[in-house]
Amino acid sequence: AQTVTQSQPEMSVQEAETVTLSCTYDTSENNYYLFWYKQPPSRQMILVIRQEAYKQQNATENRFSVNFQKAAKSFSLKISDSQLGDTAMYFCASGGFKTIFGAGTRLFVKA
Amino acid sequence: KAGVTQTPRYLIKTRGQQVTLSCSPISGHRSVSWYQQTPGQGLQFLFEYFSETQRNKGNFPGRFSGRQFSNSRSEMNVSTLELGDSALYLCASRPGVDSSTDTQYFGPGTRLTVL
Repeated sequence: AQTVTQSQPEMSVQEAETVTLSCTYDTSENNYYLFWYKQPPSRQMILVIRQEAYKQQNATENRFSVNFQKAAKSFSLKISDSQLGDTAMYFCASGGFKTIFGAGTRLFVKA
Repeated sequence: KAGVTQTPRYLIKTRGQQVTLSCSPISGHRSVSWYQQTPGQGLQFLFEYFSETQRNKGNFPGRFSGRQFSNSRSEMNVSTLELGDSALYLCASRPGVDSSTDTQYFGPGTRLTVL
């Protein structure tokens, strides 16, 4: 069965600092993507970044980057230069026959 | 392209009633998935429709059903509402051809409150 685990229910970071959100997953799929979604207080879920499992190079989108460790089934999200607008719930997800979401990490960026 | 739209955005019902929620996917997307989001249970997968057929199903009772039309729009129905059905219902669309690699795009959700 596919599982996604986010062990940090809540985190906080000072504006302009760097924060890393953890995620581990388990899947029997051979070809899959991994995703980080952001859900701000307004509730619209948006894609932050995605990683193709067969690519060793870590994905990067501006201030967002991932550390993908396939053997360890780990997929962490690093947010650099945190901004107040980064305050949101962050969900890690594993794509496959079904997309499975983790429980989420609530991130607070403090001024 | 227009994003995923969901109607209505807010709904208040009483126990025992039934409700229908609607989702219009991004143009060209053939897959629509439904999720229930609650503070206690997080995001739980309800079902996925692809080309008018239910392709995947989560672990929800038969009171939760859905359908998809030829234009890929989808509806979700909940019958005999219970207090525990109060939640944010999210719809997500994707092209749907390759489940493993598709990115899902979410709508704003329908907030259902059952009194």
